[in-house]
Amino acid sequence: DGGITQSPKYLFRKEGQNVTLSCEQNLNHDAMYWYRQDPGQGLRLIYYSQIVNDFQKGDIAEGYSVSREKKESFPLTVTSAQKNPTAFYLCATTGGRETQYFGPGTRLLVL
Amino acid sequence: ILNVEQSPQSLHVQEGDSTNFTCSFPSSNFYALHWYRWETAKSPEALFVMTLNGDEKKKGRISATLNTKEGYSYLYIKGSQPEDSATYLCAWHNAGGTSYGKLTFGQGTILTVHP
Repeated sequence: DGGITQSPKYLFRKEGQNVTLSCEQNLNHDAMYWYRQDPGQGLRLIYYSQIVNDFQKGDIAEGYSVSREKKESFPLTVTSAQKNPTAFYLCATTGGRETQYFGPGTRLLVL
Repeated sequence: ILNVEQSPQSLHVQEGDSTNFTCSFPSSNFYALHWYRWETAKSPEALFVMTLNGDEKKKGRISATLNTKEGYSYLYIKGSQPEDSATYLCAWHNAGGTSYGKLTFGQGTILTVHP
């Protein structure tokens, strides 16, 4: 099936720990995105990548890092510098200046 | 960050009622306006992508209009059903240079349809 997968569904982070959220797509889309959702707020863009080996900061990139070594994969690392990481994280892709397709999301909780 | 605002924040209606909500966005550098429906425990799903001033789109009982000159879009649901309960997100897609496919989302309108 074509689509976007995110793992894990739930992730627990300890104080000072880096954690990595996975996003994989087999839609052959060039562009991939990471968003964060907090209660009562819209989706906020963390990082995006238009092509392999290239990515740009979004509106709230501090405390996060990404890589884009393969077209299919765009992992997001939440570093210890992110002081308020508890949120719902969504990955999305698009094949052009059109609709974005979203994965099922990862909920990150702090222990 | 340029603001995209949605109103109301939440809405409760009875089954069979018709309803509408608003999305306002910057009218400059407009490329497209997206509407998404986000049901609980699912991924956001695209409803419409609208690009032209005066555009109207329809999908079953749901329709949307667009005014790019004044920077707003309305989403209408006719004869609401419980399965329409979801968060409805709009997203402004600007026309700027490196903003390939970069969307700015509103905070969403949470619709609850009571049987």
